[in-house]
Amino acid sequence: AQSVAQPEDQVNVAEGNPLTVKCTYSVSGNPYLFWYVQYPNRGLQFLLKYITGDNLVKGSYGFEAEFNKSQTSFHLKKPSALVSDSALYFCAVRDPLDSNYQLIWGAGTKLIIKP
Amino acid sequence: DTEVTQTPKHLVMGMTNKKSLKCEQHMGHRAMYWYKQKAKKPPELMFVYSYEKLSINESVPSRFSPECPNSSLLNLHLHALQPEDSALYLCASSQVAPPGLAYEQYFGPGTRLTVT
Repeated sequence: AQSVAQPEDQVNVAEGNPLTVKCTYSVSGNPYLFWYVQYPNRGLQFLLKYITGDNLVKGSYGFEAEFNKSQTSFHLKKPSALVSDSALYFCAVRDPLDSNYQLIWGAGTKLIIKP
Repeated sequence: DTEVTQTPKHLVMGMTNKKSLKCEQHMGHRAMYWYKQKAKKPPELMFVYSYEKLSINESVPSRFSPECPNSSLLNLHLHALQPEDSALYLCASSQVAPPGLAYEQYFGPGTRLTVT
């Protein structure tokens, strides 16, 4: 069965330190991978995606993610965390064979950046 | 314009009421989605419209009735809801991707629905 795992419910990072939010997936073939962020009482905002090509993808707000096919991972990273990065982060995967654009979502990781 | 708008922001309704949620986008996207999201959980897909035609109905109860009047508008009609239907309802839109591509979804801010 296709699935996405975000193994950490919560990640705590000090402001200015690098951050990593983990995502692993189980999808047949070469998946399409996405990261979204949700601020309190808001809708989801797209951060970045991997479709094909360079394994390192750069996105909004200084975030980047690295696609690792052998480890079936797509971890989200940022070199220097800001307090304003505190939010709920979702990893999502789409099976390229699915013509209905359905996303398989991870459970979400709450990121807390402490001043 | 990369905005998806949703109205109302908040809605409180009784179990016998009929109400509608509205969603609008002007990005020329031809795929539109309704999601239900419970607190601190990922969104659950309810419906997908592609070129104004319903392409996915994720076994959603008939008390939820979607409508796509044109390529910019998406409605969700609500009737005889249950308290467990209380949630954040999110609308999203995207381009329709040809094989080999995938486009991100743009989400609205949501309607916070409380069923009493």
